[in-house]
Amino acid sequence: GQNIDQPTEMTATEGAIVQINCTYQTSGFNGLFWYQQHAGEAPTFLSYNVLDGLEEKGRFSSFLSRSKGYSYLLLKELQMKDSASYLCAVRKAGTALIFGKGTTLSVSS
Amino acid sequence: DVKVTQSSRYLVKRTGEKVFLECVQDMDHENMFWYRQDPGLGLRLIYFSYDVKMKEKGDIPEGYSVSREKKERFSLILESASTNQTSMYLCASRSTGTDNSPLHFGNGTRLTVT
Repeated sequence: GQNIDQPTEMTATEGAIVQINCTYQTSGFNGLFWYQQHAGEAPTFLSYNVLDGLEEKGRFSSFLSRSKGYSYLLLKELQMKDSASYLCAVRKAGTALIFGKGTTLSVSS
Repeated sequence: DVKVTQSSRYLVKRTGEKVFLECVQDMDHENMFWYRQDPGLGLRLIYFSYDVKMKEKGDIPEGYSVSREKKERFSLILESASTNQTSMYLCASRSTGTDNSPLHFGNGTRLTVT
């Protein structure tokens, strides 16, 4: 079977740091992706992890532990424009991505 | 920049109609995908194609079919639309060049079946 879990909603304030967790149980693993989706728009690619460890990209970082089936997306120096849904997705053997249900992040001033 | 274009932003169809959702990408990507997105359920894979005339079922293929006659175009077909197919449909494409090649999404088609 396959299961990808993320919290449904999170709230934070401008300037803060927030960590969005993702746990997965999938038959096969060939990389984990994070996407950002603003309301009414298409998802856009944020990050990719296939090896254990931290990948940093500006204010955003993503971490992966394959042995624990666990990833997180870390957003620093939060801005109002970071209010969006964040989607965790696993690529199994092959080409298709399987998505979690997404985490809606609300950033307030 | 990769462009994935879905032919309609909004569609309203009647129950039992045959519905075609069209998607075109301009980056010569081998792989193309159709997802639907519903509140509380997230993105679910309907069908995908890894090459012209090739197709694979995703997690929820029932009630849908697809066509890929040309590399740049991937069509989703609802043979007989039903109200439970009211949803946001997202097309995506991907290059097979490297493992970390991401999906590039179109802007979506919001389909309402009445």
